[in-house]
Amino acid sequence: SAVISQKPSRDICQRGTSLTIQCQVDSQVTMMFWYRQQPGQSLTLIATANQGSEATYESGFVIDKFPISRPNLTFSTLTVSNMSPEDSSIYLCSVVVYNEQFFGPGTRLTVL
Amino acid sequence: QKEVEQNSGPLSVPEGAIASLNCTYSDRVSQSFFWYRQYSGKSPELIMSIYSNGDKEDGRFTAQLNKASQYVSLLIRDSQPSDSATYLCAVKETNAGKSTFGDGTTLTVKP
Repeated sequence: SAVISQKPSRDICQRGTSLTIQCQVDSQVTMMFWYRQQPGQSLTLIATANQGSEATYESGFVIDKFPISRPNLTFSTLTVSNMSPEDSSIYLCSVVVYNEQFFGPGTRLTVL
Repeated sequence: QKEVEQNSGPLSVPEGAIASLNCTYSDRVSQSFFWYRQYSGKSPELIMSIYSNGDKEDGRFTAQLNKASQYVSLLIRDSQPSDSATYLCAVKETNAGKSTFGDGTTLTVKP
């Protein structure tokens, strides 16, 4: 498995501001993903974080709104830009290790 | 049609009973199948992986796979209140990257 940590664990932000979420893994992983999950809802994939190249975004998500960095095989950041209350959600980092997918503890974001 | 479908739930069972959670998938190339447990306010936790037809047991949990019917299930024996959670089914092509997740089934085990 993998030990995944995320910072911050939660935050309350004002509309129009940006928040950067960090994801740290205890081992090198090739595949890393960012999801969001609103309370009581299913997981929604935002993007695949690619090491050394631009992230691959899912339909409905764009780089300007959710810029992602992946400087190495153990670390990634997701920025939620120009936030609105609709961005209030839990944001999850996820990695694949030996064909199994694991999730970080999540970042609970509330936008006022 | 969704790629991975689960019982809409919620599912409620008495303590000590067997809870049965079901999942069907549409992509026949899927070769890896997973069950996750997600407690309220927490992230999904991988509890079972199954790759071959038949049953796989781990403690009180049994995963069942039938590739011909494109069906995977999770049985929880002697259900406990601590098993109350949302259970997510996930499928993927082996070594193909991310899994495709179902919407989850919420299980409540009543004391």
